[in-house]
Amino acid sequence: DTAVSQTPKYLVTQMGNDKSIKCEQNLGHDTMYWYKQDSKKFLKIMFSYNNKELIINETVPNRFSPKSPDKAHLNLHINSLELGDSAVYFCASSPSTYEQYFGPGTRLTVT
Amino acid sequence: GENVEQHPSTLSVQEGDSAVIKCTYSDSASNYFPWYKQELGKGPQLIIDIRSNVGEKKDQRIAVTLNKTAKHFSLHITETQPEDSAVYFCAASSTGNQFYFGTGTSLTVIP
Repeated sequence: DTAVSQTPKYLVTQMGNDKSIKCEQNLGHDTMYWYKQDSKKFLKIMFSYNNKELIINETVPNRFSPKSPDKAHLNLHINSLELGDSAVYFCASSPSTYEQYFGPGTRLTVT
Repeated sequence: GENVEQHPSTLSVQEGDSAVIKCTYSDSASNYFPWYKQELGKGPQLIIDIRSNVGEKKDQRIAVTLNKTAKHFSLHITETQPEDSAVYFCAASSTGNQFYFGTGTSLTVIP
């Protein structure tokens, strides 16, 4: 009965590869987010979707592309991975606005 | 944009003592201030929040205060326990879906 789930939990890959991270929420929330947490634990929003529509797109390289097939899913695809992409990526959801519920995170390591 | 500063970056307290973490924000339009607890290897978990029409909110051993004039808000944890050890983040939002996070406070409760 996990509220917000992400797969995979760990992802190790080489520079230049393309990878995807999947997120699913079973809370019935309208809004979903992707955050990046760097090595210093700083949390920064990347994208936000409301009812499958992109509403926030922070200054993120075009190599990152979110996709929301339905309200319960928000996937993150990353092209041409770089060393600087290494971080923990968190998915979150909220009931329209305000209270956010985070997933367990995906630790991405680019070698 | 909004700028949220958080202090201290690390905090050690004896079990049973109180812990206080402080945040300041820059955007007077911010009206929602959540606090998150992040345990090792997990995603941030919302523990308490406050809106700008309220000056103080309490939930058992946790309380948050807000001073809109001074643009700062604080998290107070009383009777600390070892399981309170974690990284705590404050955040601010004016829209309910765009959140700006503080840099985190690593709290250690010494038994």
